[in-house]
Amino acid sequence: EDQVTQSPEALRLQEGESSSLNCSYTVSGLRGLFWYRQDPGKGPEFLFTLYSAGEEKEKERLKATLTKKESFLHITAPKPEDSATYLCAVQGSSLGYSSASKIIFGSGTRLSIRP
Amino acid sequence: DSGVTQTPKHLITATGQRVTLRCSPRSGDLSVYWYQQSLDQGLQFLIQYYNGEERAKGNILERFSAQQFPDLHSELNLSSLELGDSALYFCASSAKGGLAGVNEQFFGPGTRLTVL
Repeated sequence: EDQVTQSPEALRLQEGESSSLNCSYTVSGLRGLFWYRQDPGKGPEFLFTLYSAGEEKEKERLKATLTKKESFLHITAPKPEDSATYLCAVQGSSLGYSSASKIIFGSGTRLSIRP
Repeated sequence: DSGVTQTPKHLITATGQRVTLRCSPRSGDLSVYWYQQSLDQGLQFLIQYYNGEERAKGNILERFSAQQFPDLHSELNLSSLELGDSALYFCASSAKGGLAGVNEQFFGPGTRLTVL
């Protein structure tokens, strides 16, 4: 069964203190791994798609990387406005069309950046 | 702004009632997904429609139903509402949604449902 586990559940950092969020996944035939940012009471905001192991993508202070079993979201010199919940999701291959396009979300990492 | 719109933003109703949530996907997107997010809970996938047809089903209760219309907007109907149905309901859309392709989903702002 496809599964996504994110750690830690919550992370508090000082402004400027770099760190990484982890997303471990089990999926039959990875088609894509997605990172989203979600602010309280708002819809998730799309950040990145990673397709294969070794791939990296960057956006401002965020960098996402992918291996065969996990993905990391590295945050470099974070600012208070980076505080949010970061969600990881995967889409796998399936023989049955009924689940081929489903995306499985992790429970997220709540990131808090103190000024 | 993702380009996905949802109405209403807030909905307050009583137990036993029925409500309809509406979603308009991004221009050109064929697939619509519905999710439920309860307080401190993750996103729970409910159902997906692709070009008017049901494509995938998740943890959707029998009291809930959805449809996608020819203009590609979608509605989620929730009936016999219970206190536990209070949650944020999100709609997302993607360009694809079939067997091939990677389905990057873009989310709307959500509808906050409160059942009293």
